[in-house]
Amino acid sequence: KQEVTQIPAALSVPEGENLVLNCSFTDSAIYNLQWFRQDPGKGLTSLLLIQSSQREQTSGRLNASLDKSSGRSTLYIAASQPGDSATYLCAVAGTYKYIFGTGTRLKVLA
Amino acid sequence: DVKVTQSSRYLVKRTGEKVFLECVQDMDHENMFWYRQDPGLGLRLIYFSYDVKMKEKGDIPEGYSVSREKKERFSLILESASTNQTSMYLCASSLRTGGATQYFGPGTRLLVL
Repeated sequence: KQEVTQIPAALSVPEGENLVLNCSFTDSAIYNLQWFRQDPGKGLTSLLLIQSSQREQTSGRLNASLDKSSGRSTLYIAASQPGDSATYLCAVAGTYKYIFGTGTRLKVLA
Repeated sequence: DVKVTQSSRYLVKRTGEKVFLECVQDMDHENMFWYRQDPGLGLRLIYFSYDVKMKEKGDIPEGYSVSREKKERFSLILESASTNQTSMYLCASSLRTGGATQYFGPGTRLLVL
Protein backbone atom coordinates (compact mmCIF):
# COMPACT_ATOMS: atom_id res chain seq x y z
CA LYS A 1 0.00 0.00 0.00
CA GLN A 2 1.40 3.38 -1.02
CA GLU A 3 2.47 5.64 1.82
CA VAL A 4 3.59 9.22 1.43
CA THR A 5 5.66 11.00 4.07
CA GLN A 6 6.64 14.64 4.30
CA ILE A 7 9.44 15.88 6.50
CA PRO A 8 9.62 18.23 8.27
CA ALA A 9 6.05 18.71 9.46
CA ALA A 10 6.73 22.39 10.10
CA LEU A 11 9.46 24.81 9.09
CA SER A 12 10.16 28.42 9.97
CA VAL A 13 12.74 30.41 8.00
CA PRO A 14 13.74 34.07 7.61
CA GLU A 15 12.78 35.86 4.43
CA GLY A 16 15.20 35.42 1.56
CA GLU A 17 16.37 31.91 2.40
CA ASN A 18 16.37 29.12 -0.12
CA LEU A 19 14.67 26.05 1.25
CA VAL A 20 13.89 22.44 0.43
CA LEU A 21 10.78 20.47 1.29
CA ASN A 22 10.92 16.69 1.17
CA CYS A 23 8.43 14.05 0.10
CA SER A 24 9.03 10.30 0.12
CA PHE A 25 6.83 7.46 -1.11
CA THR A 26 7.04 3.71 -0.70
CA ASP A 27 5.87 2.39 -4.10
CA SER A 28 7.72 3.62 -7.17
CA ALA A 29 4.90 2.58 -9.56
CA ILE A 30 3.38 6.02 -9.93
CA TYR A 31 1.95 7.99 -12.84
CA ASN A 32 3.09 11.33 -11.53
CA LEU A 33 3.75 13.39 -8.43
CA GLN A 34 2.08 16.69 -7.74
CA TRP A 35 2.93 19.48 -5.31
CA PHE A 36 0.13 21.61 -3.88
CA ARG A 37 -0.09 24.69 -1.73
CA GLN A 38 -2.86 25.15 0.82
CA ASP A 39 -3.58 28.39 2.65
CA PRO A 40 -5.39 28.16 6.01
CA GLY A 41 -9.03 27.19 5.62
CA LYS A 42 -8.79 27.03 1.84
CA GLY A 43 -8.62 24.44 -0.90
CA LEU A 44 -5.48 23.15 -2.60
CA THR A 45 -3.72 24.96 -5.42
CA SER A 46 -1.60 22.94 -7.81
CA LEU A 47 2.00 24.17 -8.02
CA LEU A 48 3.87 21.62 -10.08
CA LEU A 49 3.18 18.23 -11.61
CA ILE A 50 6.04 15.90 -12.55
CA GLN A 51 5.24 13.00 -14.83
CA SER A 52 6.85 9.68 -13.93
CA SER A 53 9.18 9.95 -16.93
CA GLN A 54 10.44 13.40 -15.90
CA ARG A 55 13.15 14.35 -13.43
CA GLU A 56 12.11 17.91 -12.62
CA GLN A 57 9.73 20.77 -13.26
CA THR A 58 10.20 24.48 -12.72
CA SER A 59 7.80 27.35 -12.25
CA GLY A 60 9.19 30.72 -11.28
CA ARG A 61 10.99 30.38 -7.95
CA LEU A 62 9.83 26.78 -7.53
CA ASN A 63 11.65 23.69 -8.69
CA ALA A 64 10.46 20.16 -8.04
CA SER A 65 12.52 17.05 -8.62
CA LEU A 66 11.54 13.40 -8.78
CA ASP A 67 13.65 10.30 -8.19
CA LYS A 68 11.30 7.36 -8.65
CA SER A 69 13.90 4.72 -7.92
CA SER A 70 14.57 6.08 -4.45
CA GLY A 71 10.97 7.15 -3.84
CA ARG A 72 11.78 10.80 -3.27
CA SER A 73 10.74 14.22 -4.43
CA THR A 74 11.92 17.63 -3.31
CA LEU A 75 10.36 21.05 -3.70
CA TYR A 76 12.95 23.82 -3.82
CA ILE A 77 11.79 27.37 -3.08
CA ALA A 78 14.28 30.09 -3.97
CA ALA A 79 14.47 33.43 -2.18
CA SER A 80 11.52 32.73 0.10
CA GLN A 81 8.99 35.48 0.84
CA PRO A 82 6.37 35.93 3.58
CA GLY A 83 3.70 35.26 0.94
CA ASP A 84 5.08 31.74 0.58
CA SER A 85 3.81 30.92 4.06
CA ALA A 86 1.35 28.05 3.66
CA THR A 87 1.13 24.28 3.94
CA TYR A 88 2.73 22.37 1.10
CA LEU A 89 1.46 18.92 0.22
CA CYS A 90 2.75 16.33 -2.17
CA ALA A 91 0.59 13.65 -3.73
CA VAL A 92 1.47 10.61 -5.83
CA ALA A 93 -0.89 9.35 -8.51
CA GLY A 94 -1.92 5.78 -9.18
CA THR A 95 -4.38 4.76 -11.90
CA TYR A 96 -7.34 6.53 -10.34
CA LYS A 97 -6.28 7.81 -6.99
CA TYR A 98 -3.90 10.26 -5.45
CA ILE A 99 -2.27 9.49 -2.12
CA PHE A 100 -1.38 12.59 -0.14
CA GLY A 101 1.28 13.33 2.40
CA THR A 102 0.29 15.19 5.56
CA GLY A 103 2.12 18.31 4.49
CA THR A 104 4.84 20.69 5.61
CA ARG A 105 3.64 23.90 7.26
CA LEU A 106 5.97 26.68 6.16
CA LYS A 107 6.30 30.06 7.82
CA VAL A 108 8.55 32.68 6.25
CA LEU A 109 9.41 35.45 8.67
CA ALA A 110 9.70 39.04 7.46
CA ASP B 1 -9.01 28.32 -15.98
CA VAL B 2 -10.62 25.30 -14.39
CA LYS B 3 -13.13 26.19 -11.78
CA VAL B 4 -14.39 23.82 -9.11
CA THR B 5 -17.07 25.21 -6.84
CA GLN B 6 -18.61 23.83 -3.69
CA SER B 7 -22.08 24.77 -2.54
CA SER B 8 -21.15 25.95 0.94
CA ARG B 9 -18.02 27.18 2.69
CA TYR B 10 -19.37 26.49 6.16
CA LEU B 11 -22.16 24.23 7.38
CA VAL B 12 -23.50 23.46 10.83
CA LYS B 13 -25.74 20.40 11.18
CA ARG B 14 -27.20 18.32 13.96
CA THR B 15 -26.50 14.65 14.62
CA GLY B 16 -28.79 12.44 12.57
CA GLU B 17 -29.50 15.01 9.85
CA LYS B 18 -29.06 14.12 6.19
CA VAL B 19 -26.43 16.39 4.67
CA PHE B 20 -25.78 17.15 1.01
CA LEU B 21 -22.51 18.63 -0.21
CA GLU B 22 -22.49 19.71 -3.83
CA CYS B 23 -19.53 20.12 -6.16
CA VAL B 24 -19.58 21.51 -9.69
CA GLN B 25 -16.75 21.72 -12.23
CA ASP B 26 -16.89 23.67 -15.46
CA MET B 27 -14.19 22.00 -17.57
CA ASP B 28 -15.88 18.80 -18.76
CA HIS B 29 -13.62 16.67 -16.57
CA GLU B 30 -14.27 12.95 -16.48
CA ASN B 31 -13.10 12.33 -12.93
CA MET B 32 -14.36 13.81 -9.71
CA PHE B 33 -13.30 13.12 -6.14
CA TRP B 34 -14.42 13.76 -2.58
CA TYR B 35 -11.84 13.96 0.21
CA ARG B 36 -11.97 14.83 3.85
CA GLN B 37 -9.09 16.55 5.57
CA ASP B 38 -8.38 16.22 9.28
CA PRO B 39 -5.41 17.50 11.31
CA GLY B 40 -2.65 14.93 11.46
CA LEU B 41 -4.40 12.60 9.02
CA GLY B 42 -4.05 14.56 5.81
CA LEU B 43 -6.45 14.13 2.89
CA ARG B 44 -8.32 10.87 2.71
CA LEU B 45 -10.35 9.78 -0.29
CA ILE B 46 -14.01 9.08 0.41
CA TYR B 47 -15.40 8.36 -3.07
CA PHE B 48 -14.53 9.07 -6.66
CA SER B 49 -16.29 8.90 -9.99
CA TYR B 50 -14.74 8.40 -13.44
CA ASP B 51 -17.94 8.84 -15.43
CA VAL B 52 -21.57 9.85 -15.10
CA LYS B 53 -23.48 7.45 -12.86
CA MET B 54 -20.25 5.62 -12.00
CA LYS B 55 -18.80 5.65 -8.51
CA GLU B 56 -16.00 3.92 -6.69
CA LYS B 57 -15.27 3.68 -2.99
CA GLY B 58 -12.18 5.37 -1.72
CA ASP B 59 -10.38 4.63 1.51
CA ILE B 60 -13.07 5.77 3.98
CA PRO B 61 -16.54 5.41 2.38
CA GLU B 62 -18.40 4.33 5.52
CA GLY B 63 -21.22 6.69 6.44
CA TYR B 64 -21.16 8.41 3.04
CA SER B 65 -22.76 7.99 -0.35
CA VAL B 66 -22.39 9.90 -3.62
CA SER B 67 -24.37 10.79 -6.70
CA ARG B 68 -23.26 11.77 -10.16
CA GLU B 69 -26.24 12.30 -12.43
CA LYS B 70 -24.51 14.88 -14.63
CA LYS B 71 -20.91 15.06 -15.70
CA GLU B 72 -20.26 18.44 -14.08
CA ARG B 73 -21.85 17.69 -10.69
CA PHE B 74 -20.76 15.30 -7.93
CA SER B 75 -22.67 15.21 -4.67
CA LEU B 76 -21.56 13.80 -1.33
CA ILE B 77 -24.31 12.65 0.99
CA LEU B 78 -24.06 12.02 4.70
CA GLU B 79 -27.06 9.78 5.32
CA SER B 80 -27.17 10.41 9.06
CA ALA B 81 -24.56 12.90 10.19
CA SER B 82 -22.44 12.06 13.21
CA THR B 83 -20.02 14.15 15.24
CA ASN B 84 -17.03 12.19 13.89
CA GLN B 85 -17.92 13.51 10.43
CA THR B 86 -17.01 17.03 11.50
CA SER B 87 -14.25 17.86 9.05
CA MET B 88 -13.12 19.86 6.04
CA TYR B 89 -14.51 18.35 2.84
CA LEU B 90 -12.69 18.95 -0.42
CA CYS B 91 -13.91 18.21 -3.91
CA ALA B 92 -11.55 17.80 -6.86
CA SER B 93 -11.76 17.02 -10.55
CA SER B 94 -9.33 15.85 -13.22
CA LEU B 95 -9.52 15.49 -16.97
CA ARG B 96 -8.87 11.77 -17.16
CA THR B 97 -7.47 8.78 -15.33
CA GLY B 98 -3.76 8.04 -15.18
CA GLY B 99 -2.87 10.82 -12.82
CA ALA B 100 -3.91 14.00 -14.60
CA THR B 101 -3.70 17.21 -12.60
CA GLN B 102 -6.33 17.47 -9.91
CA TYR B 103 -8.10 20.78 -9.41
CA PHE B 104 -9.62 21.48 -6.03
CA GLY B 105 -12.60 23.44 -4.83
CA PRO B 106 -12.37 25.84 -1.87
CA GLY B 107 -13.63 23.28 0.64
CA THR B 108 -16.63 22.98 2.93
CA ARG B 109 -16.03 23.08 6.65
CA LEU B 110 -18.74 20.95 8.26
CA LEU B 111 -19.52 21.00 11.95
CA VAL B 112 -21.87 18.32 13.27
CA LEU B 113 -23.27 19.06 16.72
